[in-house]
Formats: sequence, C-alpha cells, structure tokens
Amino acid sequence: GENVEQHPSTLSVQEGDSAVIKCTYSDSASNYFPWYKQELGKRPQLIIDIRSNVGEKKDQRIAVTLNKTAKHFSLHITETQPEDSAVYFCAAPGDDKIIFGKGTRLHILP
Amino acid sequence: DTEVTQTPKHLVMGMTNKKSLKCEQHMGHRAMYWYKQKAKKPPELMFVYSYEKLSINESVPSRFSPECPNSSLLNLHLHALQPEDSALYLCASSLTGGEGRSNQPQHFGDGTRLSIL
Repeated sequence: GENVEQHPSTLSVQEGDSAVIKCTYSDSASNYFPWYKQELGKRPQLIIDIRSNVGEKKDQRIAVTLNKTAKHFSLHITETQPEDSAVYFCAAPGDDKIIFGKGTRLHILP
Repeated sequence: DTEVTQTPKHLVMGMTNKKSLKCEQHMGHRAMYWYKQKAKKPPELMFVYSYEKLSINESVPSRFSPECPNSSLLNLHLHALQPEDSALYLCASSLTGGEGRSNQPQHFGDGTRLSIL
C-alpha cells in the first residue's frame, strides 16, 4: 500500500522568508496530492492540491511541485506571515482512503 | 464558513454513558468519513461510508458504532468508552470515495472534542 513520508517535523522561519515542506510517496500509481493546514484547535483545511498531470501549481503565496519520477512533492510558502503558523499535512491516495504524512509544525518567527 | 457541520463541539462523558456525535453536509458529497485525531498526530481514519453504505472499518472497537441515515448525515454512536478514546473526532466528506483510489479532496468539519472521565 501507499506510504507517505514528510519532512521536516518542525520548521522555524523568519517572517517574510520562504518555507519548504517535502513529502515522498511510494506508489507510482498515486495521482492526487492534497496539502492540509491545521491551526491549533481547528479543523484540517485543504489549502492546495495537485494532480499527476501537472508539475506545479500556484495559489498566491502557496505553490506545490510534483516530481513523479522521484515520487516526491513539496509545499512552498513565500513571504511567510504570522498566520502561516500551523501544522501542515501532505497526503497521497491509498486504497479507498488518503494516507497522511506525519505533519510539519511551522513556526513563523517575528 | 465550514461546509461540514459537526455537533456537539465538546463532549464530556463517563465510561458508562451512551452518546452520539453528529455530522451533516449539504454539498451533495457521496462519501463521508470519521477520523480520530490525537494531539500532534495526523487524523486517523476510522470509518468510510460510500453511497450510504459502510465501505471501510479500520478495525475500530465495537464501542464505536457508525450510522449513515441518509446521504447528508453521519452519526457516530459511543458506548462504554475508555479514557484513551479522548481525542478530537473529525467528520469529512468528499464527492466520491471509499471505493478504489481516493483522488477527491476531503472537506473536514470542525470536530468534536471528546473527553472521557
């Protein structure tokens, strides 16, 4: 079955700098990769997703890149702001369900 | 605004109590999910309903009993829970899912924070 690895587990960046979170997956048949943001005490919220027919997708300060050959995908946040502080989960499709990475806690330092 | 609505937001119950968690969505989604989330961990799948039929039970103890009365509603009945069952219980829905490779975005509710005394 699908296995998803996410790194780093914790990331601290200065406000205004960029943050990158990386995930790898194991099943070459996987074709959909969502990213969820979960603020403290709140629900996971889909922030961006990418399908395997494209290599990059952007939405304002957030972008996701996909390398199907290497089986990894990354979340890029530019010009980070305090409200970007949260836990971020990547995911990939398993059989009948999605498989989450273990999460990255992002701290934005003032 | 949250498109998946969960009630109650908080629940405290004793180990002998019976209670139910409720989830509702009106997006026309045909797959609905229950997840359990412990602090600093990713959501852990419990059950999946696809077209109102239970399609996945991730070996969840029988003290948790799901029910899908119709395509918009999902319940989780709780009975004789243990202290380790204290967690955030999240409901989610997607357009389709629970059968084959899951490639639709899931929309989560705000969750019910459950505490077992």
